[in-house]
Amino acid sequence: DTAVSQTPKYLVTQMGNDKSIKCEQNLGHDTMYWYKQDSKKFLKIMFSYNNKELIINETVPNRFSPKSPDKAHLNLHINSLELGDSAVYFCASSQDNYEQYFGPGTRLTVT
Amino acid sequence: AQTVTQSQPEMSVQEAETVTLSCTYDTSESDYYLFWYKQPPSRQMILVIRQEAYKQQNATENRFSVNFQKAAKSFSLKISDSQLGDAAMYFCAYRSVRSGGTASKLTFGTGTRLQVTL
Repeated sequence: DTAVSQTPKYLVTQMGNDKSIKCEQNLGHDTMYWYKQDSKKFLKIMFSYNNKELIINETVPNRFSPKSPDKAHLNLHINSLELGDSAVYFCASSQDNYEQYFGPGTRLTVT
Repeated sequence: AQTVTQSQPEMSVQEAETVTLSCTYDTSESDYYLFWYKQPPSRQMILVIRQEAYKQQNATENRFSVNFQKAAKSFSLKISDSQLGDAAMYFCAYRSVRSGGTASKLTFGTGTRLQVTL
């Protein structure tokens, strides 16, 4: 059973398009996260939700909007995609202060 | 704000040998968690080992162990009996022990690429 899953795993799209990445966890965790890994492999937090409530919103452009329909799902919607949005996006989840479990990542390529 | 530094962009080790990856961090907090994550070419982020700052004993997981020096703010990872499957990017990460808000996020270092040679 996959603990944290993301769809799609690969996403190629053109500049200006709108796209969504979906994340689901079956671990019963209360907190979910989105991280971005850039071309130099640097990982940085974007957003975090705890029980459907936004608790972390780092300095991310307004074109990025997370949505959490329930505590097992955290989706990432991106409007007006730009070349600089090309990256690997990781979803993760955790319970209380325990370690975070990561999804397989979504490689987004904007052309 | 906390920062995590990995000063070795790349390391190489021969199969069956031992290698140590370095990590230093900066924080004003007295209690926190430190992690090492492994990212193989499949890009999956895999937790290798975890250390609670209040514990003096260094964490170990099979061939993986840490050298945690709280006063020096150092957290190195030792891999013994290296195997080809250990080849990957290794990331050191910091997390506050406080709950809620930005405290729950992981702050990552820039990573160390480990090559394992025959």
